[in-house]
Amino acid sequence: DGGITQSPKYLFRKEGQNVTLSCEQNLNHDAMYWYRQDPGQGLRLIYYSQIVNDFQKGDIAEGYSVSREKKESFPLTVTSAQKNPTAFYLCASSPPAGSGANVLTFGAGSRLTVL
Amino acid sequence: KQEVTQIPAALSVPEGENLVLNCSFTDSAIYNLQWFRQDPGKGLTSLLLIQSSQREQTSGRLNASLDKSSGRSTLYIAASQPGDSATYLCAVTPNDYKLSFGAGTTVTVRA
Repeated sequence: DGGITQSPKYLFRKEGQNVTLSCEQNLNHDAMYWYRQDPGQGLRLIYYSQIVNDFQKGDIAEGYSVSREKKESFPLTVTSAQKNPTAFYLCASSPPAGSGANVLTFGAGSRLTVL
Repeated sequence: KQEVTQIPAALSVPEGENLVLNCSFTDSAIYNLQWFRQDPGKGLTSLLLIQSSQREQTSGRLNASLDKSSGRSTLYIAASQPGDSATYLCAVTPNDYKLSFGAGTTVTVRA
């Protein structure tokens, strides 16, 4: 079955540590996204990528980094510079722009807790 | 900057009652609007997508309407069931494909 796999599902981090969240898709989608979800708030866009080897900052990119070396993979690194990293992180993908719809497919999410 | 608002934040209804969920947005220059469902601790599942040229979309017991000029969308769920209990989020897509999400409405359907 086609879909998006995020790992790990739960992650605990000590202050000052970098952590990397994995996102893999087998939908052959060009675009991939990372969102952060906090209680009582809408999803906020961290980074997005429309093609391999290219990505753009979203609304809350500070303290995060990404790479897009392969079409299928879009890992997110939460660096020690992110002051409040405890949150639920969601990865998504969508077909190419102009394909007739921008339906996002989401992964199951990764919950990061800073101890 | 696009602002998306969903009111109420939470809703509790008895089984069988029809659900009406509201979504409003500030900038009418949108490409489409989507409704998603999110179960606790899970990712989002797309329910309906309405293109900017459409007025409504239907899927089973779900019907979503879109009024771009007034910046509103409504999701109707007919004959609610306990399995409909979840958080429902709407998202609008501007022309640059960076979706803006509302905070969601958490629905509880009481058996």
